[in-house]
Parts: sequence; structure tokens; C-alpha cells
Amino acid sequence: QKEVEQNSGPLSVPEGAIASLNCTYSDRGSQSFFWYRQYSGKSPELIMFIYSNGDKEDGRFTAQLNKASQYVSLLIRDSQPSDSATYLCAVNMVVNSGGYQKVTFGTGTKLQVIP
Amino acid sequence: GAGVSQSPSNKVTEKGKDVELRCDPISGHTALYWYRQRLGQGLEFLIYFQGNSAPDKSGLPSDRFSAERTGESVSTLTIQRTQQEDSAVYLCASSLHWTRYEQYFGPGTRLTVT
Repeated sequence: QKEVEQNSGPLSVPEGAIASLNCTYSDRGSQSFFWYRQYSGKSPELIMFIYSNGDKEDGRFTAQLNKASQYVSLLIRDSQPSDSATYLCAVNMVVNSGGYQKVTFGTGTKLQVIP
Repeated sequence: GAGVSQSPSNKVTEKGKDVELRCDPISGHTALYWYRQRLGQGLEFLIYFQGNSAPDKSGLPSDRFSAERTGESVSTLTIQRTQQEDSAVYLCASSLHWTRYEQYFGPGTRLTVT
């Protein structure tokens, strides 16, 4: 079972629409959740983090967290062609063998915003 | 302020040669991470440092891979006897502390083994 799961896409949305990107995770003890954006040929860039249940808004981006359902999502309002990228979900998880927590990344969802 | 830097940005090497990849974390960041990303694939965790100790080396794919870190500064990832399957982008990230999970990535080193 994958620890952090994302639909690989591509997710295609028209310009100006809302893009909804979803992520599920396996560790009920996870407390920290991140969204990274990765443009083709570039390194991942942290765009949002969320620690509490509910919504967190930053400009056109909203992160939503539901720990009971082990589900985190990223909404992008008024999508622009420049938002076309792969979005990686990342979650901290307990590494039992090491007695510490580390961030595990999903494989990413490719978003295409069509002009 | 300065972000994470990595060098070289590109490296082409012949199969069987050794390579060293360097990472300079953000100043003051005590945790440092190495990842590998093959073309079209996700991030593959390699190793993590807190200070100059490496509590988690679980991702190193073989004993040809090793990494060191000097204090809370520069880290070097060494690949010995490179193979074609080592071709990938090697990404370094740093975070303020291992309990602070926000990681900031460098631009990566693209390694091509011919």
C-alpha cells in the first residue's frame, strides 16, 4: 500500500476554472501536510502547508485537510496556464525503525490549464 | 536570502567512474535531505542528515552510494562505479530542523552516465 497516493493525471481544466488536486495518506498519526509545485525540468517548490483540520487560504490557493478521512486537497481558483505543473503532496510519517518522523512524497498530479 | 545551492548543475560521466555531487543548504538549516528523481518519476528519498549525523540512510540504493556532511553545512553525495541506471536528477533539500518539515529544494544536479 502506497503511503501517499495521488492521481497521476493529467488533470485538464480550462483557464479561469477551479482545479482540485487530491491526496490520501496512510498514517493516522501524520500532523504536517505540504503541497509542492514542480514545473517541468525544475525542482519542487513549496507552495502550501497545513497542520490543522479545515481550510487554509493563500491567494488563489486553498489547502483542505480532513484527518478523519486521511485526505488533503489543494484548490487552485482562477487557474492560469502558468499553473500548469506537477503538484506533489507530502506528508510527515512516523518511521518506526528510526523512531523519528520524515516527510513522504506522493508521485504527483500533473495539471494542465488550457487557455 | 540565498536558497539551497547544488553543484554541478549538470554532470556527464562514463560508466564506471566516480562522481561527487555537492549541496549547500540554506544558512541555519540543520536538516539536509538527498533525493533522486528519474525522468518522469517521483522523488526517491536517499538519505537525511541532522547536523553531521545521518539517522536515516535507508534510501541509499546500494553500497556504491555514500554521503557526508560537514557540520551543519555542505553535504557531498558520492556515487562510485557509476552505472547507467544512476542517470537522474539528484535533488538536495534543507529544513530548519528535523522537526520542522518544510523542506526547500535546490535546483538539482542532472547526472548522465554514458
